[in-house]
Amino acid sequence: AQKVTQAQTEISVVEKEDVTLDCVYETRDTTYYLFWYKQPPSGELVFLIRRNSFDEQNEISGRYSWNFQKSTSSFNFTITASQVVDSAVYFCALTSSGYSTLTFGKGTMLLVSP
Amino acid sequence: KAGVTQTPRYLIKTRGQQVTLSCSPISGHRSVSWYQQTPGQGLQFLFEYFSETQRNKGNFPGRFSGRQFSNSRSEMNVSTLELGDSALYLCASSLSPGTSGILQETQYFGPGTRLLVL
Repeated sequence: AQKVTQAQTEISVVEKEDVTLDCVYETRDTTYYLFWYKQPPSGELVFLIRRNSFDEQNEISGRYSWNFQKSTSSFNFTITASQVVDSAVYFCALTSSGYSTLTFGKGTMLLVSP
Repeated sequence: KAGVTQTPRYLIKTRGQQVTLSCSPISGHRSVSWYQQTPGQGLQFLFEYFSETQRNKGNFPGRFSGRQFSNSRSEMNVSTLELGDSALYLCASSLSPGTSGILQETQYFGPGTRLLVL
């Protein structure tokens, strides 16, 4: 069975601070895919980034960066210079090769205050 | 390109009634999945459709059903509504379903339908 754990229930930061959201996953599959989604108050899940298990290169996309560590089964997500518009619930999700079903963590609510 | 659309956005029903929710995927996407989101259980997979066939079903009672049409649009139906069915129902689409040995496609979500059962 797959499992995704987001230990941080809620994080509060002040605008322009950097913030890292933690995600730890469990899977027995050798090929899997990890995702981060953002859910603003409107409800829609917005795709942010993805990482394939066979590619450990960490990347930066604008203010977003991610740290994928297979050895510790972690897929952490960092927002640099946070903005008020970043306030939302962030979900880490996992699926395996051959399946479409996403297993989600419980989410981390990020509140960025001005 | 237009995103995933879901109708209606909001629904209020009473116990025992049935409801049908609709999802139109992104143009060209042929795989549609449904998820239920509640404060207690979080995001849970309901079912997945591809080529008008249900590929996977989550752990939900038979009151929850769905279908997909030849244009990839999908509907889900909940019969004999219970109070616990109150939730945000999210639809996601992708180009194709997960296939072993082939790079997984990303799922893109719609705005959801908020269902309140009284």
